[in-house]
Amino acid sequence: AQSVTQLDSQVPVFEEAPVELRCNYSSSVSVYLFWYVQYPNQGLQLLLKYLSGSTLVKGINGFEAEFNKSQTSFHLRKPSVHISDTAEYFCAVTMLNTDKLIFGTGTRLQVFP
Amino acid sequence: EAGVAQSPRYKIIEKRQSVAFWCNPISGHATLYWYQQILGQGPKLLIQFQNNGVVDDSQLPKDRFSAERLKGVDSTLKIQPAKLEDSAVYLCASSPLVWADYNEQFFGPGTRLTVL
Repeated sequence: AQSVTQLDSQVPVFEEAPVELRCNYSSSVSVYLFWYVQYPNQGLQLLLKYLSGSTLVKGINGFEAEFNKSQTSFHLRKPSVHISDTAEYFCAVTMLNTDKLIFGTGTRLQVFP
Repeated sequence: EAGVAQSPRYKIIEKRQSVAFWCNPISGHATLYWYQQILGQGPKLLIQFQNNGVVDDSQLPKDRFSAERLKGVDSTLKIQPAKLEDSAVYLCASSPLVWADYNEQFFGPGTRLTVL
């Protein structure tokens, strides 16, 4: 079975500072990896995904993530955050050729002025 | 293009009452999902439909939860009777059925249920 661990439940950061949100996964088979963002009172929006190819994936709003198979990690990064990036971020996995998403518990990113 | 619509956005009920949620997916999307998101946790898949057939309902508490998608378009999720632990946000998502590595899921805004 697959599982996702997001160790940081909250990450406070000042505006224009860099940020990294950590995600580790566990699976005995190959997986696809995703990061979703959830703004208050809204549904989930896909930030980026890794299916295959280059391990560095670029997404929307200046975010990027790097797939590290040996460390089973898929950390999300942004070099300079804005106030508008304040939201909940979820890492998720799915097995190849299935659509069933397994989500982590989320990381609350709080950006301060 | 209109997104996934859900109603109501908020619902407060007392335990043992029944409640129903409605979802209208993006036009043309064959697959529809219902997720439960309890506070402090990530979304958990309850049921997945492809057209009007159930693909996966392994995590649906069938003694109290039911869902249907009769015409392969919109869907309803019902809880009867509700328990305190059912308090959560219920998210609906849809995806197209295309020949691709992965069919992206598009999420609605959710229905926040509070059971008192």
